[in-house]
Amino acid sequence: DTGVSQDPRHKITKRGQNVTFRCDPISEHNRLYWYRQTLGQGPEFLTYFQNEAQLEKSRLLSDRFSAERPKGSFSTLEIQRTEQGDSAMYLCASSLQNNSPLHFGNGTRLTVT
Amino acid sequence: GQNIDQPTEMTATEGAIVQINCTYQTSGFNGLFWYQQHAGEAPTFLSYNVLDGLEEKGRFSSFLSRSKGYSYLLLKELQMKDSASYLCAVNSNYQLIWGAGTKLIIKP
Repeated sequence: DTGVSQDPRHKITKRGQNVTFRCDPISEHNRLYWYRQTLGQGPEFLTYFQNEAQLEKSRLLSDRFSAERPKGSFSTLEIQRTEQGDSAMYLCASSLQNNSPLHFGNGTRLTVT
Repeated sequence: GQNIDQPTEMTATEGAIVQINCTYQTSGFNGLFWYQQHAGEAPTFLSYNVLDGLEEKGRFSSFLSRSKGYSYLLLKELQMKDSASYLCAVNSNYQLIWGAGTKLIIKP
């Protein structure tokens, strides 16, 4: 069990640019989640996958955000035409099944200038 | 709507005991989680309650009352390394609803 890994750890980009983040979950975990977190707040749900199927996407998520998990293993989160309000910590988590604890990666901190 | 309330910040003394409360109003309930999050790091799992009562795990214990929509996390023999945010999360219809977290400050 090598844990959940995320890449990159930090990303600084200019407004209007596209960014892509990667998450490698714990290998035997079927479920993969993306969250966004800002200072002093709990994680905000973005989307989740059961294997390769994207089962739910937050209604708060604009169409600039897209996520994939093509082979049911790693996942990518892309943000197009970034805005300053997108600056946050983007957390990936995985779990074995429905009511299992989530295991989080160390996150990708995005700063949009 | 769905709502989870926790105190924003608490202060306690090294070696003492502290209780962090969490109240929730959610459309469904499939369990309650507590996570610890150090500044700049990811949340790490502490405990899970799905039935009423107390779950003890070393220095940490968590209690649940489903009828009251209430849980608490009890930390004993506080150490400086326990300074962190503590997040309460409810599994409501198989989606996690998160509180904003309680920042715990430990003083020597």
